Amino acid sequence: QTVVTQEPSFSVSPGGTVTLTCGLNSGSVSANYYPSWYQQTPGQAPRTLIYNTNTRSSGVPDRFSGSMLGTKAALTITGAQADDESDYYCVLYMGSGTWVFGGGTKLTVL
Amino acid sequence: EVELVESGGGFVQPGGSLRLSCVASGFTISSYSMNWVRQAPGKGPEWVSYISTTYSIISYADSVKGRFTISTDNAKNSLFLQMNSLRVEDTAVYYCVRDWNYNFDHWGQGTLVTVSS
Repeated sequence: QTVVTQEPSFSVSPGGTVTLTCGLNSGSVSANYYPSWYQQTPGQAPRTLIYNTNTRSSGVPDRFSGSMLGTKAALTITGAQADDESDYYCVLYMGSGTWVFGGGTKLTVL
Repeated sequence: EVELVESGGGFVQPGGSLRLSCVASGFTISSYSMNWVRQAPGKGPEWVSYISTTYSIISYADSVKGRFTISTDNAKNSLFLQMNSLRVEDTAVYYCVRDWNYNFDHWGQGTLVTVSS
């Protein structure tokens, strides 16, 4: 069974930098998995931050960036703000029209 | 403006059926791949099903394969999910999601499905 791994929780100070990662239990993540990142606040649908590894979605502040970090996809927030406190999910495309979500990272800004 | 509006959720007993609908506006559904994604209470999202633009690819998560069927009606610019043999673990908010360039770029507000005896 394919499992997409994310840190369950992370904490960052206001103005600080944090990098969240997205891995695979069965091997390495590459750009061929078209990693994307979504932010979700309570009661709202997720919204796209990053897709195709490092393409920022329209309207997303440039403090959010995507990259590959070794064997994982990564989401970096530079200059974290209070309203970045959310759940963050990565999604990987597994081919043949199938996708797998990671378990999510709960980010605290304090 | 792109909008996706789901309906059809509700309360159903285990073993029952429901049909979810999603009406799209601001774009033509036949020009995009579409997905259903669900989110159980307090849990992260789970991809459920996908239909490609040409309908050449239809796929399902293993957890729903053989029980759920995705379809579209181009005349109504709508996406559907027929859910049969429902289980308690199918309880979730179900989102209709547009797929563009490997990006779930637009989500509906979701419709709640509760399966319980």
